[in-house]
Parts: sequence; structure tokens; C-alpha cells
Amino acid sequence: AQKITQTQPGMFVQEKEAVTLDCTYDTSDPSYGLFWYKQPSSGEMIFLIYQGSYDQQNATEGRYSLNFQKARKSANLVISASQLGDSAMYFCAMREGMRGAQKLVFGQGTRLTINP
Amino acid sequence: GAVVSQHPSRVICKSGTSVKIECRSLDFQATTMFWYRQFPKQSLMLMATSNEGSKATYEQGVEKDKFLINHASLTLSTLTVTSAHPEDSSFYICSASPGQELYNSPLHFGNGTRLTVT
Repeated sequence: AQKITQTQPGMFVQEKEAVTLDCTYDTSDPSYGLFWYKQPSSGEMIFLIYQGSYDQQNATEGRYSLNFQKARKSANLVISASQLGDSAMYFCAMREGMRGAQKLVFGQGTRLTINP
Repeated sequence: GAVVSQHPSRVICKSGTSVKIECRSLDFQATTMFWYRQFPKQSLMLMATSNEGSKATYEQGVEKDKFLINHASLTLSTLTVTSAHPEDSSFYICSASPGQELYNSPLHFGNGTRLTVT
């Protein structure tokens, strides 16, 4: 079963608008972390933001915020005031459990294109 | 902090040859390293998890004899694609973990290696 689901293969947004990238997850572990990464065309994985399963407040990092709805198992990324440089692939990912170094499981990704 | 270096960034090799990819943690000791593979326009798929000083754990469907992983030190892991074929052409990317943190720490990635087998 897919643990991380991103249902938007592509998104097109006008510059300076806000955009929401969807992510739903599936886990039975009470301890987990949700991450968003940006992958530009050059290929590197850039960590953007993190939300822990026990966090009471939604995470924010500059123009990035995470809309965490635990009961619905969703962790959507919101980018405010989008810029041309935001055009990239965006991946939602999850780490589970309390034991040691756990792997990251990725969603399918969303290709975001910012139009001038 | 948490810088991961991967080399080479790009390699072209002939079918039947072997290629070695290095992943180094530059400013921390990486107890665990993860190797991912990414086909064009697809997600990152975990190939294997390597722990320093022990054998790697491979994901289901990944050929151990084809993708040799060595994690001989706390700062270096290598992935060797043996007897490469065109279908092995892909983007390979590593990530490293100090091993002490749990689910609430991001993994930091190398810049990836684009392998083309002709």
C-alpha cells in the first residue's frame, strides 16, 4: 500500500500567488515525521520543512508552511508569494518509528511550474 | 552542517563495465547511509540501507550482486553497479544519517549521480 500519496502530478501557478501541494499519508505508528523536499532540475534534494506527529502547531519556514491535519492524515505544503525559482519537483516524505535511523519514504511528487 | 558529498555527479560507461559511486558525510559521522534510485519523472525509490561495519539491507527486488554497497567507514559509503546495462541508467542519490536521531530529523542528500550506460 502506498504510504505517501501526492495526487497532483503537475501544478501551474502565476507568480506571486500562493499554492498548496497536497500530501496524504498512511501509518499505524504513532511516532512519525513528515517532510517536504524540493528537487530542481539539477537533481539535488533540498529539505524545506518538517512536521512531527506530536507537534501541536503547524510548521512554518519562511514562505513555506505545512497544513497538518492529523485526523485526515494530510500534510499539505503551502508556498506563499510564489517566485519563478520555486519551479521544481516537490516531494512529500515520511519517516516512522522510534528505533534508530529510519528510511524516508517518498510520494510520487508534484511538478510545480510558476508562470511569470 | 550535515553536508553530504556524492561523486561523480555524472558518469557514462559502456555496457558490461562496473561503476563506483561514492557518498561522503563531510561534517558528521554517518552510522547509516541510504541509497536511492530515481528514474526520469519518477519518485525516489530506496534501494538499500547501509550501516557502518555491517552488510547492507536491500529492498525487495533490488539485486544484491548487481548493486554492491560498502560502508567501511563512518564517513564513506560506496555503491558499485556491476556489469552495468542500459536499463541501469538512472539517477542515483545517497543520503546519510548520524544514526542517533529518530523520526524527527530530515535526511540530507548528496547531489546525486546521473549514470548513463551505453
